[in-house]
Amino acid sequence: DAKTTQPPSMDCAEGRAANLPCNHSTISGNEYVYWYRQIHSQGPQYIIHGLKNNETNEMASLIITEDRKSSTLILPHATLRDTAVYYCIVRPSAGGTSYGKLTFGQGTILTVHP
Amino acid sequence: GAVVSQHPSWVICKSGTSVKIECRSLDFQATTMFWYRQFPKQSLMLMATSNEGSKATYEQGVEKDKFLINHASLTLSTLTVTSAHPEDSSFYICSARRTGTDTQYFGPGTRLTVL
Repeated sequence: DAKTTQPPSMDCAEGRAANLPCNHSTISGNEYVYWYRQIHSQGPQYIIHGLKNNETNEMASLIITEDRKSSTLILPHATLRDTAVYYCIVRPSAGGTSYGKLTFGQGTILTVHP
Repeated sequence: GAVVSQHPSWVICKSGTSVKIECRSLDFQATTMFWYRQFPKQSLMLMATSNEGSKATYEQGVEKDKFLINHASLTLSTLTVTSAHPEDSSFYICSARRTGTDTQYFGPGTRLTVL
């Protein structure tokens, strides 16, 4: 299964864009990149996922490089409530024994300050 | 949409007793549900995969006789921690994969404290 590498922590000023990087250099062609976040003492919250193309929803944008070896999650206007641990996960593709399983790393602790 | 609930949100029990945790998908059907455990300052660890109408698949090192999983319907999975001990104290989180998609949605978690 492809592993991901994220910085352990990042800071962001309220109202500014938060750009969270993730490296996944061993990703396979049919593996998706998923992003979740976990606010303290809560279950993870789904944010966004993508395969090749950039994706945008009401929460965030996901930019995937052309070679798919890295991606960036963008929170366009960070608020204090966006302070959380952000997990970048490569989801194994269908057909394998690990299909559907999400392996959580340590993630990035994003702190949004006033 | 895609709301998952867990009950109870927290529980305190005596050592040696059993505790049942429920995971429900409220507005979608979930053929597959997953159970995770999270210790303080650590990341989530997958314990088992639960498929509706069949036996659960446990990750290496997770005792299937201690952590009983039942997935009797497309909206409900239960985890029973049998003969709980203080080392079982943890944050237990379930997720449900919406049937027909590959995205997992997580419950709010259950804090188990075994005295």
